Order: sequence, then C-alpha cells, then structure tokens
Amino acid sequence: AQSVTQPDIHITVSEGASLELRCNYSYGATPYLFWYVQSPGQGLQLLLKYFSGDTLVQGIKGFEAEFKRSQSSFNLRKPSVHWSDAAEYFCAVGVSSNDYKLSFGAGTTVTVRA
Amino acid sequence: DVKVTQSSRYLVKRTGEKVFLECVQDMDHENMFWYRQDPGLGLRLIYFSYDVKMKEKGDIPEGYSVSREKKERFSLILESASTNQTSMYLCASSEYTEAFFGQGTRLTVV
Repeated sequence: AQSVTQPDIHITVSEGASLELRCNYSYGATPYLFWYVQSPGQGLQLLLKYFSGDTLVQGIKGFEAEFKRSQSSFNLRKPSVHWSDAAEYFCAVGVSSNDYKLSFGAGTTVTVRA
Repeated sequence: DVKVTQSSRYLVKRTGEKVFLECVQDMDHENMFWYRQDPGLGLRLIYFSYDVKMKEKGDIPEGYSVSREKKERFSLILESASTNQTSMYLCASSEYTEAFFGQGTRLTVV
C-alpha cells in the first residue's frame, strides 16, 4: 500500500521569504502526486499535481513542486511567501489513473510572520 | 467550477444518536469519497463509491455506513455516534484522480 510522510508538522516563515515543504512517498511504481492547501475553515484546494512528464510542476498561487524518483520526494516550494499563504498543506498520492483513492500525509501547518 | 456541498458546517450530536452527513456534487462525477480529518493524522478514507448503488470500505469504516441512491448525493451515516467520532468530515468527488472537496462538517459528539 502507498503512504505519504510529511516530516514537518509546523513551519514558520517570514513574509517575503522562500518556503519549502517536504513530502516523501512510499510506492513501488510511478505515483500520482498532489499538493492540497486548506485555509482555516475551508475545504481542500488543489495546488498542483504530477502524473508524468516534466518533473518540475507549476501550480496555482505561485507554487511549484519537483518530483524526484531517486529520493521518493515531491517537495513544494514558493519563492516569496505572502501572508495569505498561512494554511495547512497536504501532500497526497494516488496509484493509478483508474484508482481514485488518495492517501494523504499528516499535513504541514505554515505560519507567516510579518 | 466544480462544487461539492456539504449540508452542515457544524453539528453537535449526543452519544448514541444516528447522524447523517450529506454531500452533493454538481459535476456529474462517478466517484465520491468520505474522509475524516484529525490533527496529526491528515485525511483518512472512510468509504468511497465509484457508481450509484456501489460502495466500498476505505481505511477506517468501523462505526460508519454510507448511502448513494443518486449519482450526485453521497451520505455518511454514523449508526450510533460516539465521542471518538468527533472530527472534521470531508466529502470529495473526483475524476481522473483529481479530487474536489467540500468545505467540511465539523462534528462534535457529546
């Protein structure tokens, strides 16, 4: 079975600084990888996804993520954080285009300080 | 825009009550899911459905059941609510492995 690890429970970053959130997955074949964001009191919104092809994926709100097969990682990055990026971020993995179930990591809470 | 609507944002129920959480999606998706979200645990899959009348257990189905009588509606049922079912419940619908989520129902069982 597939699984996802987000090693950082909580990250604090200054507004304007860069942000990187770590995600490691466990799965024997090529996974389908996702990053979701959850703002306080809201549902989950898809930031970006990786299915195949270019390993650097661009998403919404200025986020990008890089798939590294050798490290089983799919880290999320943003060059300059805005106060509105304060939220909880979830990495998720699916195993095929015909299996729609996702396995989620425990999440990373991002706090942005002025 | 895909819209997944959960009927209640907040619910407070008593131990032993039968609880219904309703979810409706408007994009004609075949696939619908119920997840439970707890701090430090992320989202865990309770039940899912790939078609009307079809349902399958996810990772933590104990104490829950589901109903899908119509394609757009997927209901989660707590047969006899217990305090350990106090949680945030998220409904999702999907196609091509991209899931769209509702805003969640925060259920408190007292």
